Amino acid sequence: GQQLNQSPQSMFIQEGEDVSMNCTSSSIFNTWLWYKQDPGEGPVLLIALYKAGELTSNGRLTAQFGITRKDSFLNISASIPSDVGIYFCAGQPSQMGNQFYFGTGTSLTVIP
Amino acid sequence: EAQVTQNPRYLITVTGKKLTVTCSQNMNHEYMSWYRQDPGLGLRQIYYSMNVEVTDKGDVPEGYKVSRKEKRNFPLILESPSPNQTSLYFCASSLRRGGLGETQYFGPGTRLLVL
Repeated sequence: GQQLNQSPQSMFIQEGEDVSMNCTSSSIFNTWLWYKQDPGEGPVLLIALYKAGELTSNGRLTAQFGITRKDSFLNISASIPSDVGIYFCAGQPSQMGNQFYFGTGTSLTVIP
Repeated sequence: EAQVTQNPRYLITVTGKKLTVTCSQNMNHEYMSWYRQDPGLGLRQIYYSMNVEVTDKGDVPEGYKVSRKEKRNFPLILESPSPNQTSLYFCASSLRRGGLGETQYFGPGTRLLVL
């Protein structure tokens, strides 16, 4: 199946620091999505991106749809303890209809 | 309250014993989907459904069946479970097809152990 490579796998940061993570695919995507999963819960959508080059913010979160349509980036500014969780990228390849693919996740730990 | 519910939340079974995990949404969503989550692999789509009586395979459909007889329900069936199906399963739904940023609402998850 489709491979989505997400990095880094895990991050340990101090409260107040900025965070960056990215996701790359082997093929072109129509849509890029970023989710957060808290322990014991299902993923929750943070940001959705629809076209190449698009930059979208949601509070302290900013995500970008890469120009090549094969990558996406998520930045979190001024991290706080409640940012702890696993962040997943996801999307739909242009050739694959209505299937969704998820990245392997980035586990974020924020040290107060 | 708008939600996706799954039952059971936890299940321990033995190899070969048929089981069904139910999923129900109360938002009149057309698109529903099942995922499994395994350490280091993220979420992988098993099956999805665009609407009643319309289902299609996702990335890892082997060993699973689904049905969509009613809009609100999308059960996941394991006819003969095997240990490699031990996983955390999520059901999700969205208003229309899950593209163009349609928010998918995820259920709370079902943790399955197959002995």
